[in-house]
Amino acid sequence: EVQLVESGGGLVQPGGSLRLSCAASGFTVSSNYMSWVRQAPGKGLEWVSVIYSGGSTYYADSVKGRFTISRDNSKNTLYLQMNSLRAEDTAVYYCAREFRWENLKSRYYYYYMDVWGKGTTVTVSS
Amino acid sequence: DIQMTQSPSSLSASVGDRVTITCRASQSISSYLNWYQQKPGKAPKLLIYAASSLQSGVPSRFSGSGSGTDFTLTISSLQPEDFATYYCQQSYSTPRGGFGQGTRLEIK
Repeated sequence: EVQLVESGGGLVQPGGSLRLSCAASGFTVSSNYMSWVRQAPGKGLEWVSVIYSGGSTYYADSVKGRFTISRDNSKNTLYLQMNSLRAEDTAVYYCAREFRWENLKSRYYYYYMDVWGKGTTVTVSS
Repeated sequence: DIQMTQSPSSLSASVGDRVTITCRASQSISSYLNWYQQKPGKAPKLLIYAASSLQSGVPSRFSGSGSGTDFTLTISSLQPEDFATYYCQQSYSTPRGGFGQGTRLEIK
């Protein structure tokens, strides 16, 4: 079964650090684009970061320079290292697989988040 | 950055109603548009990808259309389990991102 399970969330003080993990089963993390998406309490979805299969990484402006996405191929696990945490980083953090689909008629590639974890909650508060 | 704007922000409807949610992009994104459904306390679920392709296992009452800047998600006959929040997302730009603000669908 294709599955993602996040862990590592918790309560941390402003300025602190936390590392989130996302363990995958049923597919290979390193062969896919993998993203982190977060949702602040009562708010909408916000894309946070992505790591491409080739290893390139990208970040939302709101976390650039503070968060680092990475993966451990041997553990088939995705990570998000979060430093210099702020109150506005309080959210449920989801990891998701970005599936690549080729439209055979147009030969264009499309990407969509087809597998999501259940999320892990990060609370930044003193 | 490409901005995604959904309308309405909330909507009340009854079981059996036909419902349409709109998503507009700040620039053309061809058909690089996905729709997700999220229920309270749950992770989002993919409904539609590439503007109009139905994800496997999703009921056929859900459909998507549009290209360029204007897109719609239609539920042909609302069922009790469809009351949720719906998000559009553009997958045109690299890196991916750009969720709409969400449309909350409530029972009338």
